[in-house]
This record gives sequence, structure tokens and C-alpha cells, in this order.
Amino acid sequence: DAGVIQSPRHEVTEMGQEVTLRCKPISGHNSLFWYRQTMMRGLELLIYFNNNVPIDDSGMPEDRFSAKMPNASFSTLKIQPSEPRDSAVYFCASSLPRDRYNEQFFGPGTRLTVL
Amino acid sequence: DQQVKQNSPSLSVQEGRISILNCDYTNSMFDYFLWYKKYPAEGPTFLISISSIKDKNEDGRFTVFLNKSAKHLSLHIVPSQPGDSAVYFCAASEVEYGNKLVFGAGTILRVKS
Repeated sequence: DAGVIQSPRHEVTEMGQEVTLRCKPISGHNSLFWYRQTMMRGLELLIYFNNNVPIDDSGMPEDRFSAKMPNASFSTLKIQPSEPRDSAVYFCASSLPRDRYNEQFFGPGTRLTVL
Repeated sequence: DQQVKQNSPSLSVQEGRISILNCDYTNSMFDYFLWYKKYPAEGPTFLISISSIKDKNEDGRFTVFLNKSAKHLSLHIVPSQPGDSAVYFCAASEVEYGNKLVFGAGTILRVKS
């Protein structure tokens, strides 16, 4: 299995531009999570989906952030317009639902820099 | 308000000695705890976990201890190896809320040879 796939690995953009991050979960996993990692706050959960349905988006910082999961094998996280404070590493993770170990498998992350 | 706290941003240990990483939590409803390890330019990977009905779980060189009354858990690595140098994240969940995890800010472990 290829694991969780994220693209792009690095993104540099200018303030005000739209940014789209992409994620392909592990085949057969029904839960998908988007996290943001910063030095100050560590790993923050932004949103998670079960069976393509958003369950909890309380971590989405503001309306500039949106996430979709149109099917079981693809999800996007969009920031529009982007701001310098959005610079961080964004991780996507997937898991089997109700997996007793609650183990989530993470992708390699997208490092976003907003100038 | 951070529900999971790792108060030590970094830890440096000599190879062969014990590494102890600490984690505190505030939500008494958490019933499952995990440790993840992260190398640079990679995503976190699961290391070890413990249910709230236990106070210790061991897997090779890694042992996690849980003190529910103190709302504290720790990860012991014995003996520490240079390859253990990484960022370690503590995480907690409520099974009722499915797979939602709350992570701490992480502790950078450096094992010196």
C-alpha cells in the first residue's frame, strides 16, 4: 500500500492567493483528518470526515478555510484568500472507523509558505 | 485551552540511558492515549498506546505509564538510541467521539552518541 498521499509537498504562494492541498487516503479507510502543525500549537485537528461526511469542523480557523471529500479516495483543503499566518505544515491522515487502537496513518505533509 | 500538554519542548539524553517524555491532560473523559513519533519531512507514525483501564503498556524498548488520578502519562525509552531522535507527540481521545485525537505540542528528543 502506498500510504496516505499528499500533494503538493511544498507550496509557496503570495498573500491573497488561493491554495488547494490534496489528499488521497489509504484504500479502505473510512475516516480522514486534516491537521495543521505549527511550532507554537503543535498538531491541531482542523476537520475530519467519516464516510465522506464532515463530522467535526470546529478546528477550522475561519471562513477562509474549507474542506471537501467528494469521494472515498480524495479530499481537498482550500484556503482562500491565504495569509502569511497560514504558513505551516498541513497533514492529512486516515484510519479505519472505530479501529480499537484509534491509529491514524499520516501522509508526509504539505509545507505551505505564504509570503 | 490546550487539553493535552507537553511542557518540555525538548529533551537531550545520552545513548544507552533512559528517555522519559511527559504529558498532562485536563479532560477526564479521555479514555485512550497514544504516542506518535515524527522524523523531519515525514508524517507522524504511531508508536504505542494505552487504554484508561490500564496503567502500563510495554512494547520492546518503549513503555507508557498512565496515572489517571494525576491526569499524567509518560513514555519511557530504554535504552535510548540515536535513531530515537525525533519529535514525540502525545495524543488522547474519547472513544465515544470515534477517532478524533487531541495532540500535544510535541517534545523534541535528541539522543547523543
